[in-house]
Amino acid sequence: GDSVTQMEGPVTLSEEAFLTINCTYTATGYPSLFWYVQYPGEGLQLLLKATKADDKGSNKGFEATYRKETTSFHLEKGSVQVSDSAVYFCALSADNAGNMLTFGGGTRLMVKP
Amino acid sequence: DAMVIQNPRYQVTQFGKPVTLSCSQTLNHNVMYWYQQKSSQAPKLLFHYYDKDFNNEADTPDNFQSRRPNTSFCFLDIRSPGLGDTAMYLCATSRDPGQGNYGYTFGSGTRLTVV
Repeated sequence: GDSVTQMEGPVTLSEEAFLTINCTYTATGYPSLFWYVQYPGEGLQLLLKATKADDKGSNKGFEATYRKETTSFHLEKGSVQVSDSAVYFCALSADNAGNMLTFGGGTRLMVKP
Repeated sequence: DAMVIQNPRYQVTQFGKPVTLSCSQTLNHNVMYWYQQKSSQAPKLLFHYYDKDFNNEADTPDNFQSRRPNTSFCFLDIRSPGLGDTAMYLCATSRDPGQGNYGYTFGSGTRLTVV
């Protein structure tokens, strides 16, 4: 079945450091890929998405590129801020499953001043 | 403005006492979902409604029920909460899958504590 694997956290960085959170997936067909962010005590917010191979999703300085050849969708940001501290979830929606999402386990990011 | 609203934000209930969590949406989305998220874990889908059609996940306990009286509202009923049901409960909506995949819109969640 479909699955998403994320790097385990927590990831601890200093402010202005470069961020990469790895995400790989297993799915049949051509899934859509998403990154969601969850701030403490809040629900999930859609951060960015990509719906086909080589698409790049971007938002708030975060980027992720849909790499079909490596089945990956790694999240990157060039310079993190303390306010980026949150849990990040990679997710996919298989093209034969309507809008049903499969989530990865989440990666906690902690940014220190 | 919040488009998926969950009430209450925090709920404490006694072991075995029925509790209802509510979700409303202003997006007119066809699909509404309920997820359970325990501490430091990914959200786990309990069930979803596609319009009025109810779809239960195979491993969702019978203790969890849902109602969707109209497009805007969806309720999660826990008939006899146990201590293990302490979690964040997330409501989400999405468009008709036939209109393309735009991802979900989540509410802020209800943090339920069973004592």
